[in-house]
Amino acid sequence: SQQGEEDPQALSIQEGENATMNCSYKTSINNLQWYRQNSGRGLVHLILIRSNEREKHSGRLRVTLDTSKKSSSLLITASRAADTASYFCATGGGSTLGRLYFGRGTQLTVWP
Amino acid sequence: NAGVTQTPKFRVLKTGQSMTLLCAQDMNHEYMYWYRQDPGMGLRLIHYSVGEGTTAKGEVPDGYNVSRLKKQNFLLGLESAAPSQTSVYFCASSFLRTGLSSYEQYFGPGTRLTVT
Repeated sequence: SQQGEEDPQALSIQEGENATMNCSYKTSINNLQWYRQNSGRGLVHLILIRSNEREKHSGRLRVTLDTSKKSSSLLITASRAADTASYFCATGGGSTLGRLYFGRGTQLTVWP
Repeated sequence: NAGVTQTPKFRVLKTGQSMTLLCAQDMNHEYMYWYRQDPGMGLRLIHYSVGEGTTAKGEVPDGYNVSRLKKQNFLLGLESAAPSQTSVYFCASSFLRTGLSSYEQYFGPGTRLTVT
């Protein structure tokens, strides 16, 4: 399967702490993306990293990609209660142009 | 700029009834997608479209049909609803950029469907 798998399934931390989520995948990719989903809402794109990139930053987000290990990590620094959401990784670059393969997500809870 | 909108937001159907979910996007995106999201299963692709007049099957297409008569609209139909189709349905759209096989997808707010 080309689907990514996030780890851990659930993560609970205090405000101000850093949150790290991991994603593993099985096939070669063109890019990997991270999305956030607040309860009862649609997914929102956070960041995209290309297969030839190793690290990317966006505000408090830091994404790394290791294509040799077929894994990625999403780091959220100085977490806030508003970061409470599910986070999904999605891989692109399969045989079907435009298609993304989503993992099952990590549920992050940030306590005030 | 409304982005991606979905109609309706909620619906309850009886087994065997039919319905159509409407997705509209105002970003002139070529690609559109229909997903379903079930607890513990993540997002699964039902059908997708790479342009007006074209559709293709995704991971879980059985029991669903789609149409893309206009570039901005993507319709998902359930001809004879079953309890197994109880789910939250999301529509998404995207465009492609040079050098990438896929790009960010923009999601609608979802339709919560219950089939009794």
